[in-house]
Amino acid sequence: DQQVKQNSPSLSVQEGRISILNCDYTNSMFDYFLWYKKYPAEGPTFLISISSIKDKNEDGRFTVFLNKSAKHLSLHIVPSQPGDSAVYFCAASPTGTASKLTFGTGTRLQVTL
Amino acid sequence: DAGITQSPRYKITETGRQVTLMCHQTWSHSYMFWYRQDLGHGLRLIYYSAAADITDKGEVPDGYVVSRSKTENFPLTLESATRSQTSVYFCASSGPLRGYNQPQHFGDGTRLSIL
Repeated sequence: DQQVKQNSPSLSVQEGRISILNCDYTNSMFDYFLWYKKYPAEGPTFLISISSIKDKNEDGRFTVFLNKSAKHLSLHIVPSQPGDSAVYFCAASPTGTASKLTFGTGTRLQVTL
Repeated sequence: DAGITQSPRYKITETGRQVTLMCHQTWSHSYMFWYRQDLGHGLRLIYYSAAADITDKGEVPDGYVVSRSKTENFPLTLESATRSQTSVYFCASSGPLRGYNQPQHFGDGTRLSIL
């Protein structure tokens, strides 16, 4: 039972445009959400997070939106750059289990010139 | 350099053999984790540790053993390797504040092939 779902295995976006990566979750106990970026042959790198008390968190070109009623979060990258080409994982952590994460299956983003 | 390191980076072994994957972090993080990454599954938690001498099972613990005698080390042992354990293994750590949400920081992984 996949509690964190990334339904788009891949996404292609032109350089300079907006990239929107989506993630859905089913467990109502999740209250902390993170996005990780992963390059080939490297470990995942933390990108941005959001607590359930917020609906938006922004860090430079990266913004994460959380819609608790829909159990949906999204990562916006504006503007997209070729170096953003990577696999992006959404992850979620439930209340009171500090740092115990459940990951989605990932979305491969390709930013084209 | 400070950080989290995994060794070896690549390992090939045979079914039935015992193999140990090493993980070392220099941040004094209280939490450490082992994940495996397989196509179609993302990263799945094998075991985690909240502190030295405290470990607990994750989503897919069968066939694996962990120990944590020192805060900085968290080895993962496959006691009798099977082909289904062929995967990429990632170690992660977070903290040092227990009970607070902290992002996990990952090593670069060990690619394990079991023939």
